[in-house]
Amino acid sequence: DAGVTQSPTHLIKTRGQQVTLRCSPISGHKSVSWYQQVLGQGPQFIFQYYEKEERGRGNFPDRFSARQFPNYSSELNVNALLLGDSALYLCASSHGDVRQAFFGQGTRLTVV
Amino acid sequence: KQEVTQIPAALSVPEGENLVLNCSFTDSAIYNLQWFRQDPGKGLTSLLLIQSSQREQTSGRLNASLDKSSGRSTLYIAASQPGDSATYLCATHEGGGADGLTFGKGTHLIIQP
Repeated sequence: DAGVTQSPTHLIKTRGQQVTLRCSPISGHKSVSWYQQVLGQGPQFIFQYYEKEERGRGNFPDRFSARQFPNYSSELNVNALLLGDSALYLCASSHGDVRQAFFGQGTRLTVV
Repeated sequence: KQEVTQIPAALSVPEGENLVLNCSFTDSAIYNLQWFRQDPGKGLTSLLLIQSSQREQTSGRLNASLDKSSGRSTLYIAASQPGDSATYLCATHEGGGADGLTFGKGTHLIIQP
């Protein structure tokens, strides 16, 4: 079975631009969460979606938004990019909102 | 707000040694605790999940324990190998999904051949 897949793997954007990151969960998983990991730190929670509804939101500005589609895949959007948004963005999926989380390989976003 | 701390931040040991990684958390009202492995620039690989009602979980050479009352978990790695070199992260889930997983900063482990 395929694991969690994220696209693209790497991305370079200019300050002020907008970016969309994509995530496909493990088949049968209905929950998708997004995390931001800056170098040397643990991942920070951004959003969780379960059955297409937002279940949780971390301490991130409104420039960050997400959605989940009927097939349970998800997109993370970041508007008005800042240099500080440069990070590894990780997607995780699970059967339920508190079950074991399985992570994708991440999208490395660089803002210049 | 939950805070997760991992000690030590870095560890280097010779191949073959048994070792213990520590994780502490400030709020004992957790739903579960998960240990992950992360290779440089890569995503997280789930190693072990311990539910709040459990005391330990084992997978191969790995054993994780949980003491909720003291806010501590340990990851024991037996007979370490160079392939175990990675960053190990622990994360707690408080339930309800509202806050997702709360991670520590990780322990960077190097196993010397």
